[in-house]
Amino acid sequence: DVKVTQSSRYLVKRTGEKVFLECVQDMDHENMFWYRQDPGLGLRLIYFSYDVKMKEKGDIPEGYSVSREKKERFSLILESASTNQTSMYLCASSPGTEGYNEQFFGPGTRLTVL
Amino acid sequence: GNSVTQMEGPVTLSEEAFLTINCTYTATGYPSLFWYVQYPGEGLQLLLKATKADDKGSNKGFEATYRKETTSFHLEKGSVQVSDSAVYFCALDPFMNRDDKIIFGKGTRLHILP
Repeated sequence: DVKVTQSSRYLVKRTGEKVFLECVQDMDHENMFWYRQDPGLGLRLIYFSYDVKMKEKGDIPEGYSVSREKKERFSLILESASTNQTSMYLCASSPGTEGYNEQFFGPGTRLTVL
Repeated sequence: GNSVTQMEGPVTLSEEAFLTINCTYTATGYPSLFWYVQYPGEGLQLLLKATKADDKGSNKGFEATYRKETTSFHLEKGSVQVSDSAVYFCALDPFMNRDDKIIFGKGTRLHILP
């Protein structure tokens, strides 16, 4: 089974801190994604990556950056956390082969910024 | 552009009731369609999928039929259980090129009462 793991289930940080959210997948998937999930807004794509060292902005990239130094790992970075970044963060991966790309999700990290 | 619209929740039903969650989409070409489910405290997981018109996806008693003429992919289950309480997301993969992303609806929360 594909497994996507995220470094923390719950995280509490203070305004202005630099925050790292880590995501690792174990099925050699090409594509990786970071979403945030907020009530009433559904899932919103922050950044995605189709290859090592490659990144593309999603719908809401402001205030975030990402790093993909190895194929299996995709990190989301909040350079200076703010209270409006309090949210559930979901990482996902997909095979990247021809045809439809089912996404496999991690359990999520609930981040609170005080 | 591509979009997914699903009925707003929450939807509250009694155990053994019939369930329908409506989903309509807008897309060019021939997208693949998905239903994902998110149980409390977890990430999303694929529930069922359909990759071409008139296909029926099914899993765990849930079904959805890809209707190109009505651009719909409604989720149905004949007899719901308390364990079906979750948030359900309709999603679309445009399948146009590698840079296209999966488009998610905003989710429908389902409560099943014993």
